[in-house]
Amino acid sequence: NAGVTQTPKFRILKIGQSMTLQCAQDMNHNYMYWYRQDPGMGLKLIYYSVGAGITDKGEVPNGYNVSRSTTEDFPLRLELAAPSQTSVYFCASSYSNGAGQGAGNTIYFGEGSWLTVV
Amino acid sequence: ILNVEQSPQSLHVQEGDSTNFTCSFPSSNFYALHWYRWETAKSPEALFVMTLNGDEKKKGRISATLNTKEGYSYLYIKGSQPEDSATYLCAFKGGAGTASKLTFGTGTRLQVTL
Repeated sequence: NAGVTQTPKFRILKIGQSMTLQCAQDMNHNYMYWYRQDPGMGLKLIYYSVGAGITDKGEVPNGYNVSRSTTEDFPLRLELAAPSQTSVYFCASSYSNGAGQGAGNTIYFGEGSWLTVV
Repeated sequence: ILNVEQSPQSLHVQEGDSTNFTCSFPSSNFYALHWYRWETAKSPEALFVMTLNGDEKKKGRISATLNTKEGYSYLYIKGSQPEDSATYLCAFKGGAGTASKLTFGTGTRLQVTL
């Protein structure tokens, strides 16, 4: 069981470049998330999705876009990369069979993507 | 802005020592409190999801307690081993209207030496 798989693991980008972080889960989870982790800070939510075709902004969405065309995949796109986007990015997923409480259940994380913008 | 605080920031113990950390969170509109264990270059791994005041969970040598009325949770590690070295994260989930928002603390970094 692969769980949550995200790629690439490491990437160096130049300022102004764009890229997509890929994320896939094989647990049939309806909720998916993108977080970023900066030194000395807690994980911050960038975007989340409660199901295919539905996405919403988290705490720090500026400079990012997401899509959720299937239950399994939740790519994160960085447009016009900036040094402030240097961070570790985590994709995650969870399941909820109730209304709007997906994050109350166990969240499963990918291994992280280390992104440096220079 | 929700405030989730963890203390201490870092901790260095010797093998065999028992230790504990604190997670403080808002005492109102509580839904769940999560604990995760995160080794660098690996996925954060769920330890516990706690939802009831007075809840006590255990997984091997690791246990956790929850006090929602006063807004804190303790994580205990009995007889620490080098493989327990990791960052321990807690995350607070509020109730209605905060469907997918978990607020994470900054973590307690534990180092266990021989």
